[in-house]
Amino acid sequence: QVQLVQSGAEVKKPGASVKVSCKASGYSFSSYGISWVRQAPGHGLEWMGWISGYNRNTTYSQRLQGRVTMTTDTSTSTAYMELRSLRSDDTAVYYCARDWKVTPNLETASLAFYYYGMDVWGQGTTVTVSS
Amino acid sequence: QSALTQPASVSGSPGQSITFSCTGTSSDLGGYNYVSWYQQHPGKAPKLMIYDVSNRPSGVSYRFSGSKSGDTASLTISGLQADDEATYYCSSYTSDTLEVFGGGTKLTVL
Repeated sequence: QVQLVQSGAEVKKPGASVKVSCKASGYSFSSYGISWVRQAPGHGLEWMGWISGYNRNTTYSQRLQGRVTMTTDTSTSTAYMELRSLRSDDTAVYYCARDWKVTPNLETASLAFYYYGMDVWGQGTTVTVSS
Repeated sequence: QSALTQPASVSGSPGQSITFSCTGTSSDLGGYNYVSWYQQHPGKAPKLMIYDVSNRPSGVSYRFSGSKSGDTASLTISGLQADDEATYYCSSYTSDTLEVFGGGTKLTVL
């Protein structure tokens, strides 16, 4: 079945970096993008950014631009999210979610994007930042 | 990028219909039909309930429906059930980055 499985919980000190993985299975990884979403304790969902499984193009939230990097390894169908210079307010549950279908048009050498919402979610990874 | 605006809480009795609102701007919700709704129970990952304003993914109950008028999108749950008690988030495509969420509305079933 289609699923995303994330890496385990992390505890980091302020100023450190964390890298969370998200392994996809049950679908063509290169046909979709992955969004990363986080949720601080007692707070709502915050969209962090998106990476294309097709060509690794990324777009990040303005709030995290410069501190976050999203990458993929298509050989293992795995997406990664690295967050640097961690602060206490980065303590949150981090989710990956399948988002936006990407279809290449070989005739026009362009990409078409199809929106079906974030339809598959990982189980979440708790990142705790504490001294 | 400002979050979409949702009321903090709403409540209803079993069997009733309840409507959630989500307000944005012409740069996001008002300008595009890439609007989704998510249900989140405590300690669980969000679940997609509606996409493209009004489409239900396979497996989502017909009791859930979505609509949009201008800069405001709505999610309606008919025949409210105890298990519907959760927090509901809207999201939209935005021309600024890519996507933005609302702050969430907590539904209490009385």
